[in-house]
Amino acid sequence: AQSVTQPDIHITVSEGASLELRCNYSYGATPYLFWYVQSPGQGLQLLLKYFSGDTLVQGIKGFEAEFKRSQSSFNLRKPSVHWSDAAEYFCAVVRMDSSYKLIFGSGTRLLVRP
Amino acid sequence: DSGVTQTPKHLITATGQRVTLRCSPRSGDLSVYWYQQSLDQGLQFLIQYYNGEERAKGNILERFSAQQFPDLHSELNLSSLELGDSALYFCASSVEAGDTYEQYFGPGTRLTVT
Repeated sequence: AQSVTQPDIHITVSEGASLELRCNYSYGATPYLFWYVQSPGQGLQLLLKYFSGDTLVQGIKGFEAEFKRSQSSFNLRKPSVHWSDAAEYFCAVVRMDSSYKLIFGSGTRLLVRP
Repeated sequence: DSGVTQTPKHLITATGQRVTLRCSPRSGDLSVYWYQQSLDQGLQFLIQYYNGEERAKGNILERFSAQQFPDLHSELNLSSLELGDSALYFCASSVEAGDTYEQYFGPGTRLTVT
């Protein structure tokens, strides 16, 4: 069965430092992968997506993610974190059966030190 | 703003009661998904409707039901409410055409059962 693992529950980085959030997936075929961000009290905003093609994808707010099939990973990166990036980040894979529902990881909460 | 609207934003009710959550998808999106976000279960898929028809069910309790109307808005009905039903309920919509499977989320309805 498809699954998504985000091994880090919390990550704390200093403002201006680089960021990498880890995501590992389990899926038999080529996955459709997403990263969403949830700010406190807000809904989920789509940061970026991978369907096929170039394995390095660019998203909004300066985020990028790299799909590595050999490692079953889709890690999210940002070269310089801003205080406004503090939020919870969810990796998700589309389950392609009768629907296209999202299977979410458990999320990583990002804290930013001033 | 994702273009997906949900009402109400907050709902406080007592055990045993029934509530209805409403969702309006983005213009042009035929597919509506409902998800539940709770501390112990994370983000879980409940049910999907596509152009008025139920397409898929996830971990949805028998006390819960949903429907999608001809104007494509959707309602999630929760009955015989229990304390454990307290959660954030998200609606998402998707166009699901070609390779476009990303879902856009509404701001959510926070349900508190007392």
